[in-house]
Amino acid sequence: DAKTTQPPSMDCAEGRAANLPCNHSTISGNEYVYWYRQIHSQGPQYIIHGLKNNETNEMASLIITEDRKSSTLILPHATLRDTAVYYCIVRGYGGSQGNLIFGKGTKLSVKP
Amino acid sequence: NAGVTQTPKFRVLKTGQSMTLLCAQDMNHEYMYWYRQDPGMGLRLIHYSVGEGTTAKGEVPDGYNVSRLKKQNFLLGLESAAPSQTSVYFCASTVHPTSGQQFFGPGTRLTVL
Repeated sequence: DAKTTQPPSMDCAEGRAANLPCNHSTISGNEYVYWYRQIHSQGPQYIIHGLKNNETNEMASLIITEDRKSSTLILPHATLRDTAVYYCIVRGYGGSQGNLIFGKGTKLSVKP
Repeated sequence: NAGVTQTPKFRVLKTGQSMTLLCAQDMNHEYMYWYRQDPGMGLRLIHYSVGEGTTAKGEVPDGYNVSRLKKQNFLLGLESAAPSQTSVYFCASTVHPTSGQQFFGPGTRLTVL
């Protein structure tokens, strides 16, 4: 699975869009980009995933660049409850283990 | 659906004591995982199971044993706890390894003195 690079921390004002970047320059053609978040002391929570097209669900939008070497998770209207560590994970649709490899993620602080 | 549940939520052990952490899921998932998370770190895989009666080692299996006697339950055992095993333990499940969408439990915070 390709390695990802995320900024260690970011701030966002409540009600504004939070844009969380992720670099994955070694991503291969069959690898997906997944985003999870972990609110303090809770288990990680799946947010969204994509291959090459932009994706949107009720929680967030995922924008993947055309060369697939980077992506951005967008929380359109951040609230205080979105304060969490956000993990960008790249993995293929294969392998026998199926486990997720978590890095250190980005700590997003949403401020009033 | 309760999803993935873990018991206990907190536990304090003395060095050398043993204990078992229980993970239960009601989603009929085949695959289950045990991770540990140390302060400021990402999650690391301890053991996993691809189905009832099967288990396999992950990245950091030493000092732990697991069992999957029933499809819905995945047990993590510490035979002789050590301070290095102080951590937060998360259980997760997924329907199939090709799915990157895993469902996590709330965690068990374990302190070994």
